[in-house]
Amino acid sequence: DAGVIQSPRHEVTEMGQEVTLRCKPISGHNSLFWYRQTMMRGLELLIYFNNNVPIDDSGMPEDRFSAKMPNASFSTLKIQPSEPRDSAVYFCASSGHRTDTQYFGPGTRLTVL
Amino acid sequence: AQRVTQPEKLLSVFKGAPVELKCNYSYSGSPELFWYVQYSRQRLQLLLRHISRESIKGFTADLNKGETSFHLKKPFAQEEDSAMYYCALKIRSGGSQGNLIFGKGTKLSVKP
Repeated sequence: DAGVIQSPRHEVTEMGQEVTLRCKPISGHNSLFWYRQTMMRGLELLIYFNNNVPIDDSGMPEDRFSAKMPNASFSTLKIQPSEPRDSAVYFCASSGHRTDTQYFGPGTRLTVL
Repeated sequence: AQRVTQPEKLLSVFKGAPVELKCNYSYSGSPELFWYVQYSRQRLQLLLRHISRESIKGFTADLNKGETSFHLKKPFAQEEDSAMYYCALKIRSGGSQGNLIFGKGTKLSVKP
């Protein structure tokens, strides 16, 4: 198993552009988490899904951020329009029924100029 | 409110010295705590959880409910222990498995 897969690994964009980050959880896992990591704030939970349903999106910064999970094997995090303060590393993680261990992807390093 | 506090951003020790990474939590429910580690250029991964009461790579952590702490300890640090360490608290919501709240992390640097 390749583990949690995220794409792209690096994204550089200009302010105002739309950014879409993608995540493929580990097969069979039923919970998926999106985190943002910055030097100032550390690792923050943005949103998490259980069985493809958003359970807690209280961490989503504002309406510019949206996340979807159309099926058990794919999720997206979209930022529209992007701003320089959105620059961070975005992690996706998944966990399964029988374990509460979260398995993290390699992250997407987003730079908004 | 639920919160995880790691007071040290950076901890620097010499090889062979004991190390303790501090973690305090605030939670009204029954706490489940974890330590995650991120080595350079690697993914964030689980190091240990308090329920297991195990030692991983020589590290141990004891949950102290009275002091609301879950400090990570190792008697003799090795250079390969240099990494970013995150303490995490599990928050249960509804019928789901719950999510984790992470501390801001402590960067451990073990010098030769």
